Formats: sequence, structure tokens, C-alpha cells
Amino acid sequence: KAGVTQTPRYLIKTRGQQVTLSCSPISGHRSVSWYQQTPGQGLQFLFEYFSETQRNKGNFPGRFSGRQFSNSRSEMNVSTLELGDSALYLCASRLQGAQGEAFFGQGTRLTVV
Amino acid sequence: GQNIDQPTEMTATEGAIVQINCTYQTSGFNGLFWYQQHAGEAPTFLSYNVLDGLEEKGRFSSFLSRSKGYSYLLLKELQMKDSASYLCAVKYGGATNKLIFGTGTLLAVQP
Repeated sequence: KAGVTQTPRYLIKTRGQQVTLSCSPISGHRSVSWYQQTPGQGLQFLFEYFSETQRNKGNFPGRFSGRQFSNSRSEMNVSTLELGDSALYLCASRLQGAQGEAFFGQGTRLTVV
Repeated sequence: GQNIDQPTEMTATEGAIVQINCTYQTSGFNGLFWYQQHAGEAPTFLSYNVLDGLEEKGRFSSFLSRSKGYSYLLLKELQMKDSASYLCAVKYGGATNKLIFGTGTLLAVQP
């Protein structure tokens, strides 16, 4: 069965622009979480969606937002991009209620110039 | 806070055994995960512990002590392909799938 799919894989944007990243979870997985990974900070939790509702949010500014659609696909948006937003953005999907692992996508490498 | 602490880097020799430690704050603990991440790739699941004790899976084992807020990942018969970053992640609370990650331990396996 297909894994978690993130698009695009690579993205270059200019400061001040906005960007939308997409994540398609594993079929049947209704929980989607987003993480930002940078060399200095490691993986940091952005937000979690389940059944189109944001269930949890990390300590990121309001420029970071997301949503989930009825087919469980999720998007995250970053507005007014800053240089410090350059990172690998990872999406993870999970079966609701499962004690098992979260499955990660390959990520989107965002570079802000 | 919910700091997850693990060593930044480790070096080991092919064929040897290495133990990567992870400490975390115990309040609200609801499970601990270990992930492996090769450079430029997605993290992949290695192990999950929610009860005290040792979980063995092939060459990899993971141990948990909930009272001490301590876990370790044990890698046996090291191979060159085990060179990667190893991430410790903790789930806190109930109805959430949010994971708090450590910054990862970069393991270099040398011939």
C-alpha cells in the first residue's frame, strides 16, 4: 500500500511570499501531524489534524496554518516567509487510536532566499 | 517543558554493540518511540515502548524505565548501513498523536 506522500519535494521561495505544502496520508489513516526539522532544533511539532479538526498545535507563530480535508489529505500554509522558515517539513500519518508508530513522508525541503 | 535529551553524536565500530540513551520528563508520559533517519530521508520507525522492560526486534532492542524517565536503544552487530541519526520521541497526554522529539543522535559506524 502506498506510503505518506508529500508534495512538492523541494521548493525555493523568496522572503515575504507564502507557500502551501501538501500531504496525502496512508489510506485509512485519519490522523495527520506536521513537523518542522532544522539542524539545530531537530523535529518540532507544528500541528495535528484528525477528521478535519485541528487537535493540537505547537509553539509556532500564526503565520503557520493548516487544514485537513474530508479525504484526510492535509495542507499546511506558511505566509510572509522568513529566512528562518527554511527547513524540512515532514508529515506523519497514523491510525487513530493505534499505539503503533507514525509513518513519515519524505518531506518537503523549503528554502527561503 | 518536555525536554528529551540524547547524546548529539556517537561513534562505533562495525560488528560492535552501541547503546544510545534518552532521558525525558515523566509527567504525562504515554509512550516512547525510536526512529532511524538517514541523511536526506524520512524517519523510519524502529521501536515503541509504553511499559517497562526490553523490547527486542532483530539486531535492535529498546528499553524503558518509566520511573526513571529513561530509555535506551541497543544496536547489535553494527553494520555500515546503521550510520544514521537516531531519534527518541515521547508521546505525552491522551487524545493526541503529538510527539516530542529529541534532537537526535548521529551515529557513525566505522570499519
